[in-house]
Amino acid sequence: GNSVTQMEGPVTLSEEAFLTINCTYTATGYPSLFWYVQYPGEGLQLLLKATKADDKGSNKGFEATYRKETTSFHLEKGSVQVSDSAVYFCALPIYNQGGKLIFGQGTELSVKP
Amino acid sequence: EAGVTQFPSHSVIEKGQTVTLRCDPISGHDNLYWYRRVMGKEIKFLLHFVKESKQDESGMPNNRFLAERTGGTYSTLKVQPAELEDSGVYFCASTATGGREAFFGQGTRLTVV
Repeated sequence: GNSVTQMEGPVTLSEEAFLTINCTYTATGYPSLFWYVQYPGEGLQLLLKATKADDKGSNKGFEATYRKETTSFHLEKGSVQVSDSAVYFCALPIYNQGGKLIFGQGTELSVKP
Repeated sequence: EAGVTQFPSHSVIEKGQTVTLRCDPISGHDNLYWYRRVMGKEIKFLLHFVKESKQDESGMPNNRFLAERTGGTYSTLKVQPAELEDSGVYFCASTATGGREAFFGQGTRLTVV
């Protein structure tokens, strides 16, 4: 079946540290992959996406590369800021089931000044 | 253009009571989804409407949950009677027909005491 496994948190980093949040997936075929972010008090926002193998999604300094061989979509940022403190969710859309999303368990990131 | 709006943002009710959550999708979006995140775990799919029709309700936990989308505009999710395990954050999302990006509301935090 379809599933997403995401690195558990919480993760606490100092400002300007390097961030990696691991995400692996199980799916039939070659799905798209998403990272969503939820800032405090707000709804989920699409952070970045990749639609095929070896695609790199990027936004706001974050990057994730769709690795078919390792079924992974790890989120990275070279230098985090306090404003990056949020909960991050890796997600797998199932387009042949109405487009519903399968989410990982979320990783809470706290960045300290 | 207004985004996805959810009401209320927070609700605290006693076990056995009834609660109704509301979601107003982006105008013109035919697809509406409900999701739930319980106790910091993964966000789980509950159901999917296409216009006023339930396309997929495979994620609804039991018959205490009733979702409606009369007229294909806003949707309500009623929990009756509420149990302690229903506590969590309920998210609503919408997509346009053929759209690939889901837009989420800010969520309703439900606490059953």
